[in-house]
Amino acid sequence: GQNIDQPTEMTATEGAIVQINCTYQTSGFNGLFWYQQHAGEAPTFLSYNVLDGLEEKGRFSSFLSRSKGYSYLLLKELQMKDSASYLCAVRANFGNEKLTFGTGTRLTIIP
Amino acid sequence: ETGVTQTPRHLVMGMTNKKSLKCEQHLGHNAMYWYKQSAKKPLELMFVYSLEERVENNSVPSRFSPECPNSSHLFLHLHTLQPEDSALYLCASSQRDDSYEQYFGPGTRLTVT
Repeated sequence: GQNIDQPTEMTATEGAIVQINCTYQTSGFNGLFWYQQHAGEAPTFLSYNVLDGLEEKGRFSSFLSRSKGYSYLLLKELQMKDSASYLCAVRANFGNEKLTFGTGTRLTIIP
Repeated sequence: ETGVTQTPRHLVMGMTNKKSLKCEQHLGHNAMYWYKQSAKKPLELMFVYSLEERVENNSVPSRFSPECPNSSHLFLHLHTLQPEDSALYLCASSQRDDSYEQYFGPGTRLTVT
């Protein structure tokens, strides 16, 4: 079976750094994705990791450890517009387009 | 129009009604998806179409019936739904051979009364 865990809610301060963790237990692994979803809007792609290590993209970075079944999304220099839900998703097999999503972490940025 | 569009954006229907949700992608992708998003639950994959063939049916009740007439269009036909089917229904598309990124539409907020 597939199991993906991430915290339900987090709060952080504008200008600070926040790390959102995701752990997974899946029958196969071929990539981990992070999506951002603002309230009432569609999820939008943030990052993709398939090899161990850190992928950096501007203020956002994503890390993967396949041996630990663990990933995190790091957001730097937080802005109020970063208030959103952050969804962790795992693809089990290459060529199979099925993504299994976690429940999402609702991040609130406070001034 | 660009990206992935969905109509209607909001739908209220009774349990005996029949309605259809429409999704259109303008990205030249060859895979399309239907997801259900309920409050406090993970995004649930319902159906996957790849090259216009259904390749995934995630144990979805038969009151949901997908249709993919071509690579740009995807429908979800609804009949005799239950109140617990009220949710946000999201369509997504991707390029199956290459890209890993799924592009989502804005969703249809469905309320079953």
